Amino acid sequence: AQTVTQSQPEMSVQEAETVTLSCTYDTSENNYYLFWYKQPPSRQMILVIRQEAYKQQNATENRFSVNFQKAAKSFSLKISDSQLGDTAMYFCAFMKVSGGSNYKLTFGKGTLLTVNP
Amino acid sequence: DTAVSQTPKYLVTQMGNDKSIKCEQNLGHDTMYWYKQDSKKFLKIMFSYNNKELIINETVPNRFSPKSPDKAHLNLHINSLELGDSAVYFCASSQTSGANVLTFGAGSRLTVL
Repeated sequence: AQTVTQSQPEMSVQEAETVTLSCTYDTSENNYYLFWYKQPPSRQMILVIRQEAYKQQNATENRFSVNFQKAAKSFSLKISDSQLGDTAMYFCAFMKVSGGSNYKLTFGKGTLLTVNP
Repeated sequence: DTAVSQTPKYLVTQMGNDKSIKCEQNLGHDTMYWYKQDSKKFLKIMFSYNNKELIINETVPNRFSPKSPDKAHLNLHINSLELGDSAVYFCASSQTSGANVLTFGAGSRLTVL
């Protein structure tokens, strides 16, 4: 079974600064997807960024980028120029790419990020 | 246009009652899911349906019964509610060919008294 570990239950950062959230995972699979979702106080789950394991290039989405280290099974999220609206719970998630349609997202326990003015 | 809509958003009920949460998606996706988020914010999959067929059924009490009348709808019925069922229940959908990105509904907060 796959497991996802987020070792930082809470973090804080000053507005406009950069912060990195950690995520490690355990799997014997070679083909999979990794995701970061954010959950602001509104409770809505919002996709931040997605990475395919077969791609060596790190995914980026505007101020959000990842550092994907496949051998180390590490998938950290860097948020640049932090904004107050980035305050949220951030979840790292793993999806095995298997035959058929058994696509299950396994989540980490989340990191609560607070951006301070 | 809400992509994945769940009703109700809030539900307060007594132990022992039976309740349902409905979910509809207008994205044309072929797969739908139910996730449970507990009081510590941990998200865990409960069920998944692909084209109305049950494909994931995690260790969930059989008081929980999902029903998918068509691939755009996935409802969750819970019998004999218990205090431990209090949680936020999220519906999600995805298209299995392509990006496999899950789109989530806004969640339904269930409180059992």
